[in-house]
Amino acid sequence: GAVVSQHPSRVICKSGTSVKIECRSLDFQATTMFWYRQFPKQSLMLMATSNEGSKATYEQGVEKDKFLINHASLTLSTLTVTSAHPEDSSFYICSAGPGQREQYFGPGTRLTVT
Amino acid sequence: DAKTTQPNSMESNEEEPVHLPCNHSTISGTDYIHWYRQLPSQGPEYVIHGLTSNVNNRMASLAIAEDRKSSTLILHRATLRDAAVYYCIRYSSASKIIFGSGTRLSIRP
Repeated sequence: GAVVSQHPSRVICKSGTSVKIECRSLDFQATTMFWYRQFPKQSLMLMATSNEGSKATYEQGVEKDKFLINHASLTLSTLTVTSAHPEDSSFYICSAGPGQREQYFGPGTRLTVT
Repeated sequence: DAKTTQPNSMESNEEEPVHLPCNHSTISGTDYIHWYRQLPSQGPEYVIHGLTSNVNNRMASLAIAEDRKSSTLILHRATLRDAAVYYCIRYSSASKIIFGSGTRLSIRP
């Protein structure tokens, strides 16, 4: 099946710094990608929809200035957590699909803010 | 709002069939039913999807009720590697996936 990769797989950063997470579709083009956050023992929470060539659409309650999304090409979307704090520590997952009815998920990025 | 209802957890024995139920009583006519599963510290993995007819693939079978208000994911012969959280999702043409709480499946050796 289609493959979606994420980099890095895990990152530790200090409070106040920014962290960039990449999501790539390896064998298909994706005009839309999705970013999720997952806390321990909880389900995935949709954060935003990343649209190639235009602004991302954020879900209610997600700060767009804190979670910057850039979708500069048909195979790459980036999520930057700005001025990270310990409460931003979470598992971040992206998804993308070659069509409207298929979605493939990346392996996730574990962010720890100290 | 995920708009699907699943049991929080289920247990099964290894090498026995597992039936994971899902209720989606408010599903619209064009919504697909997708199932994903997630192993610890991994992204969700696609399992199967369907619209109206029952579906089979190498991983599982999906039985969809005639009124489409419920469905059942069937693992024909559970293995220890099938222990995961299983998510039943309504997938609309907007292609945005909203996750519910899922069913945590445990397999007894």
